[in-house]
Amino acid sequence: GENVEQHPSTLSVQEGDSAVIKCTYSDSASNYFPWYKQELGKRPQLIIDIRSNVGEKKDQRIAVTLNKTAKHFSLHITETQPEDSAVYFCAASGPGSARQLTFGSGTQLTVLP
Amino acid sequence: KAGVTQTPRYLIKTRGQQVTLSCSPISGHRSVSWYQQTPGQGLQFLFEYFSETQRNKGNFPGRFSGRQFSNSRSEMNVSTLELGDSALYLCASSAGDSPLHFGNGTRLTVT
Repeated sequence: GENVEQHPSTLSVQEGDSAVIKCTYSDSASNYFPWYKQELGKRPQLIIDIRSNVGEKKDQRIAVTLNKTAKHFSLHITETQPEDSAVYFCAASGPGSARQLTFGSGTQLTVLP
Repeated sequence: KAGVTQTPRYLIKTRGQQVTLSCSPISGHRSVSWYQQTPGQGLQFLFEYFSETQRNKGNFPGRFSGRQFSNSRSEMNVSTLELGDSALYLCASSAGDSPLHFGNGTRLTVT
């Protein structure tokens, strides 16, 4: 089955700096890659997603890049703010099973004021 | 539009008992998926229901089961509870090819 590895497990940045979180996946058939943000005690919330027919997607301060050949995708957050502090999860799913997500282990992002 | 609603929010059960968790999806969403979240194993897929049929199943023992009703509401059941079943159980709904929208979860503690 699919395996998703996520790095780093913890990340501290100064407010205003950029943060990058990286994930690799094992199944070359995977074609959908969402990112979720989970604040302490709250539900995971989708922040951005990308499909395999696209190499990059951007939404304001957040961007995701996908390299299908290398089987890795990354989350980029620019101009970080304290409210960006949370655990971020990457995930992957294959054709016909978009709701069967395999999640990475999560990255605890701390933005220092 | 109301989000995904899960009840109850918290549950404490004893080993050997069984438990039923409930999930009401976003109106119009016909797919309901269940995930288990633990500090050690992270977020793991349990199963997905669509139109009252289980469409996909994760790698969990048969003690974990679910069902979906004609109004798309879903329940999951865990029988013969073990200490290791203590977790946050998350339900997510989606429509068509849309992303998953998660509920706030049910925190199950097994003593």
